[in-house]
Amino acid sequence: AQTVTQSQPEMSVQEAETVTLSCTYDTSENNYYLFWYKQPPSRQMILVIRQEAYKQQNATENRFSVNFQKAAKSFSLKISDSQLGDTAMYFCAFMKHEGGATNKLIFGTGTLLAVQP
Amino acid sequence: KAGVTQTPRYLIKTRGQQVTLSCSPISGHRSVSWYQQTPGQGLQFLFEYFSETQRNKGNFPGRFSGRQFSNSRSEMNVSTLELGDSALYLCASSRRSSGRPYNEQFFGPGTRLTVL
Repeated sequence: AQTVTQSQPEMSVQEAETVTLSCTYDTSENNYYLFWYKQPPSRQMILVIRQEAYKQQNATENRFSVNFQKAAKSFSLKISDSQLGDTAMYFCAFMKHEGGATNKLIFGTGTLLAVQP
Repeated sequence: KAGVTQTPRYLIKTRGQQVTLSCSPISGHRSVSWYQQTPGQGLQFLFEYFSETQRNKGNFPGRFSGRQFSNSRSEMNVSTLELGDSALYLCASSRRSSGRPYNEQFFGPGTRLTVL
């Protein structure tokens, strides 16, 4: 069974600063996807960034980038130039790849990020 | 393009009752997945439906069931409600096209169920 662990329940960062959220996972699978989702107070879950396990290059999406360490089973999210709108709960998630995506996401417990003005 | 819609948004029930939640996916999306979110257990996968067939199922008791209609709309049903079923129920839709390795899941706003 796969597990996803987020060891930082809460984090705080000043506006315009950089923050890194940690995530580790456990799996015996070789092909899988990893995700960071954002859930603001509105509760709408939004995809922030995705990483395919077979790709060595770290994914980036504007101010968001990941540090994917497959051997260490680590998948951290870096947010640069933090903005007030980044305040949200961030979830790390895992999805198996079985000849195609399974659409079954396994989530971590989340990190509540507060961006301070 | 309209997003994923869930109805109702809020629901209050009493123990022992049953409830049906509805999810309308984005137009063209044929896969609908359901998740339960609680403070204690976090986000847990319930099941996925694709082309009216259940493709994946999480570790939930048989009181939790679902179905999908020919227009891809999905419903989930919880019978004999327990206090612990109080949660935010999220659904997500995706294209799940055959041959494609990945299709992004888009989440709805959720249905907040309170069991008294």
